[in-house]
Amino acid sequence: GQNIDQPTEMTATEGAIVQINCTYQTSGFNGLFWYQQHAGEAPTFLSYNVLDGLEEKGRFSSFLSRSKGYSYLLLKELQMKDSASYLCAVMDSNYQLIWGAGTKLIIKP
Amino acid sequence: SQTIHQWPATLVQPVGSPLSLECTVEGTSNPNLYWYRQAAGRGLQLLFYSVGIGQISSEVPQNLSASRPQDRQFILSSKKLLLSDSGFYLCAWSVGGREADEQFFGPGTRLTVL
Repeated sequence: GQNIDQPTEMTATEGAIVQINCTYQTSGFNGLFWYQQHAGEAPTFLSYNVLDGLEEKGRFSSFLSRSKGYSYLLLKELQMKDSASYLCAVMDSNYQLIWGAGTKLIIKP
Repeated sequence: SQTIHQWPATLVQPVGSPLSLECTVEGTSNPNLYWYRQAAGRGLQLLFYSVGIGQISSEVPQNLSASRPQDRQFILSSKKLLLSDSGFYLCAWSVGGREADEQFFGPGTRLTVL
């Protein structure tokens, strides 16, 4: 079966750095997406990786290793507004997104 | 710019009642359209997707149905709601003809079936 694993919840301090991991087992691979979802709101797109390596976008970076079925989202200089759930999703061979359950990130002052 | 609308924002319905949720997209043509359901603490579950008018693919057998009567309109329906239909329903779109593309989500409808 297809499976996306990510931690249920993480806590970090304002101004610090946090890394959210995602491991996947899917039938085929056409890219990995990270989305941010604030409580009660819709997910918003953060990043897309299809090749191995690191993609940097301001305070957010995303890394992919296809051979290991592994990705992480790195958030730097954490702000209170970064408190949200972070969803990892993999596009399979049929170009359908398989979603993880999300990691709830709690930022403490 | 493109925008996606969903309504209503919240809905409370009795078991056995019908359902109609509507989604419209502006600012793009021939988008791919998706209906997802998100249960509390769970990942998004794809319910239906559509690559064109009248073309609907169902991912999960259930008492829900979808229709796409116009290019940028996607409707989720049920004839008789079940308690298990409660959840957060999200409509999304992506650029048509480009398969490995990000999806953009509407604001969602929170449905409670009592």
